[in-house]
Amino acid sequence: DTAVSQTPKYLVTQMGNDKSIKCEQNLGHDTMYWYKQDSKKFLKIMFSYNNKELIINETVPNRFSPKSPDKAHLNLHINSLELGDSAVYFCASSRREETQYFGPGTRLLVL
Amino acid sequence: GESVGLHLPTLSVQEGDNSIINCAYSNSASDYFIWYKQESGKGPQFIIDIRSNMDKRQGQRVTVLLNKTVKHLSLQIAATQPGDSAVYFCAETGGSQGNLIFGKGTKLSVKP
Repeated sequence: DTAVSQTPKYLVTQMGNDKSIKCEQNLGHDTMYWYKQDSKKFLKIMFSYNNKELIINETVPNRFSPKSPDKAHLNLHINSLELGDSAVYFCASSRREETQYFGPGTRLLVL
Repeated sequence: GESVGLHLPTLSVQEGDNSIINCAYSNSASDYFIWYKQESGKGPQFIIDIRSNMDKRQGQRVTVLLNKTVKHLSLQIAATQPGDSAVYFCAETGGSQGNLIFGKGTKLSVKP
């Protein structure tokens, strides 16, 4: 009965590879988000989707491409991974502009 | 730029004492504020929220105070327990499209 789930929990990969992180929510929310948390615990929004449409796209390299096949899913694909992409990535969901509920995070390490 | 910050990056309290975690924000147009708790290895967890038409809101052992005059938000935890040890974030709806902007976080350590 997990509300917001992400897979995988850990991801270790080589520089230059392409990888995807998946997110699913069963809360019936219409808005989903991706955040990046750096080593200093700073949380910064990357993308926001409302009803499968992109509504926020912060200054993120275009190597990052979110995809929302339906309202319950928001996946994050990353091309040509770089060392600086190492971080924890959190998915979240909400009803528009209300409290956001976070997933457990995906710990990405690029070697 | 980012508008939410915290006065203290770390806070150490004795078990049973009350904790106060502070947060400053700069966007006077923000109308919704949230406190999150993040335990090690987990995602941020909602604790309590408050809208700008309120000054105070209480939950179970937690109270959020909002002072719009000085743009200050605080989280009070009564009778702090070891399980309260975590990083606490304040967040405001200060983004250009109403998205949440998070503060830097305060690490709360509870000494037994």
